[in-house]
Amino acid sequence: AQSVTQLGSHVSVSEGALVLLRCNYSSSVPPYLFWYVQYPNQGLQLLLKYTSAATLVKGINGFEAEFKKSETSFHLTKPSAHMSDAAEYFCAVFTYKYIFGTGTRLKVLA
Amino acid sequence: DGGITQSPKYLFRKEGQNVTLSCEQNLNHDAMYWYRQDPGQGLRLIYYSQIVNDFQKGDIAEGYSVSREKKESFPLTVTSAQKNPTAFYLCASSIHGANLNTEAFFGQGTRLTVV
Repeated sequence: AQSVTQLGSHVSVSEGALVLLRCNYSSSVPPYLFWYVQYPNQGLQLLLKYTSAATLVKGINGFEAEFKKSETSFHLTKPSAHMSDAAEYFCAVFTYKYIFGTGTRLKVLA
Repeated sequence: DGGITQSPKYLFRKEGQNVTLSCEQNLNHDAMYWYRQDPGQGLRLIYYSQIVNDFQKGDIAEGYSVSREKKESFPLTVTSAQKNPTAFYLCASSIHGANLNTEAFFGQGTRLTVV
């Protein structure tokens, strides 16, 4: 069965520092992978998705993710954190339904 | 504007009552989903429907029921058999069909509280 694992339920970074949120997937077939962001009391918004056309995927708000088959990873990064990036982030994989990780709450320190 | 509308945003339920959460989409999407969100547990799938008049149980379907009589609507009923219904409920839809690389679009959620 396909699944995703997010390492670190809480991550804190200083404003301007690199953001790295980790996601590892388990799949026996090429995965369909997504990153979503959720602000308090709101729904989820798509940040980016892996399309197999390129291993480095660029998304909205300066985020990007790199697909590494050898490591079964799809980590999310942003070179410079902004206060507005504080939110919860979810990695997801799709089979015939979307399966989400447990989420990583990002805190940005001034 | 196209999108997914969940209502109400906040809902209070008394012990032993059934309540129905509404989810409507005008994106012409085939597939719809209901997730439950609890702190630290991510999103857990309750039910999903890939086509009108058909739906499947997700991982935590006990105590819930759904219907899919129209393409644009996928209401979720939280029955009295659900012993711990207090949570944030999210509805989503996706276009799917043959293209598996499409994202889900989410509503703004309904926060259900048992009083």
